[in-house]
Amino acid sequence: NAGVTQTPKFRILKIGQSMTLQCTQDMNHNYMYWYRQDPGMGLKLIYYSVGAGITDKGEVPNGYNVSRSTTEDFPLRLELAAPSQTSVYFCASSYTPRGTGNTGELFFGEGSRLTVL
Amino acid sequence: GENVEQHPSTLSVQEGDSAVIKCTYSDSASNYFPWYKQELGKGPQLIIDIRSNVGEKKDQRIAVTLNKTAKHFSLHITETQPEDSAVYFCAASPTGGGNKLTFGTGTQLKVEL
Repeated sequence: NAGVTQTPKFRILKIGQSMTLQCTQDMNHNYMYWYRQDPGMGLKLIYYSVGAGITDKGEVPNGYNVSRSTTEDFPLRLELAAPSQTSVYFCASSYTPRGTGNTGELFFGEGSRLTVL
Repeated sequence: GENVEQHPSTLSVQEGDSAVIKCTYSDSASNYFPWYKQELGKGPQLIIDIRSNVGEKKDQRIAVTLNKTAKHFSLHITETQPEDSAVYFCAASPTGGGNKLTFGTGTQLKVEL
């Protein structure tokens, strides 16, 4: 069982370049998330999705875009890379039965380390 | 929005000793408090969680306590072992918050032989 798979694991970008971080999950989870992790800062929510076709901003969405065309995939797009986007990015998924409102366990991928020079 | 503070940022204990990590939160609507463990080069993994209708929960050597009045919760690890060495994150989430967890800044736990 693969769980949450992120690609690439490492990437170096030049300022102004664009790229997409890929995330896919095989657990049929309805919720998916993108977090960034900076040293000493914990995990900050960038975007999340409650199901296919629905996305919403988290705490730090500026400079990023997402889409959720299928239950399985939740790519994160960086349009104009900036040094401030140097970070480790984690995709996660969880399952919450409709109508319960209870936060479920988040399952994380192994992370994608992005450096913008 | 929610703000979660976590202390200490680093913690070093001798093998066999206990470790305690503390978190405070600001939003009284928060009612779900998980703890995640992150090993080097890996994504965080849930180790224990507690909801606001209970004050304490145990799972073998790990326990979490919650004081809703004071808005703080703690992780207790007893009989620490070298494999407990990792970064631990607390988090909080309100009901109806879209499963949006707010994480603390993490505690680097080192268990020394």
